[in-house]
Amino acid sequence: AQSVTQLDSHVSVSEGTPVLLRCNYSSSYSPSLFWYVQHPNKGLQLLLKYTSAATLVKGINGFEAEFKKSETSFHLTKPSAHMSDAAEYFCVVSADREGFQKLVFGTGTRLLVSP
Amino acid sequence: NAGVMQNPRHLVRRRGQEARLRCSPMKGHSHVYWYRQLPEEGLKFMVYLQKENIIDESGMPKERFSAEFPKEGPSILRIQQVVRGDSAAYFCASSPTSGNSYEQYFGPGTRLTVT
Repeated sequence: AQSVTQLDSHVSVSEGTPVLLRCNYSSSYSPSLFWYVQHPNKGLQLLLKYTSAATLVKGINGFEAEFKKSETSFHLTKPSAHMSDAAEYFCVVSADREGFQKLVFGTGTRLLVSP
Repeated sequence: NAGVMQNPRHLVRRRGQEARLRCSPMKGHSHVYWYRQLPEEGLKFMVYLQKENIIDESGMPKERFSAEFPKEGPSILRIQQVVRGDSAAYFCASSPTSGNSYEQYFGPGTRLTVT
């Protein structure tokens, strides 16, 4: 079965400093991996996705993530945090069984950005 | 192109009443997924539907919950005889087809409160 573990429930950074949100996955075959962001009382927005192409994936708003098979990790990074980045971030693995895409979500990491 | 639409955005029901949540997928999308987000948790897969077919309902509670996606009109998630534990945010997502390379687009969610 597929699963993801988000190692930090909360991450606090200062504006202008780097962001690192950690995610480890478990999958019995080559997974597709995603990062979604959820702002308070809003829906989910896709930041980026990995689907077995380039291991370094660039997303929207300056975010990127690197797929490391040897470490089973897919950490999300951003060089410089902005106040508007404060939100909940979900690492997601796709359980592609029998031809359909069933997303399995991590428990989320709340990013707090201070001035 | 309008995104995934869900209504109502907020729904309050007393225990024992029925809740009906509606989801209109993006134009051209024929695959609909429902997820539930309990407070302080990630999203959990409930059901995957195509037009007039339930493909996978492995995440649906065995009783009181049902879903449909008719040939015409929105997808409906129906909860009968609601209980306090049903209070959650329910998200709908759609995709043009299935498979890992097709990302799911999420609606803004319906927040159900059972009093």
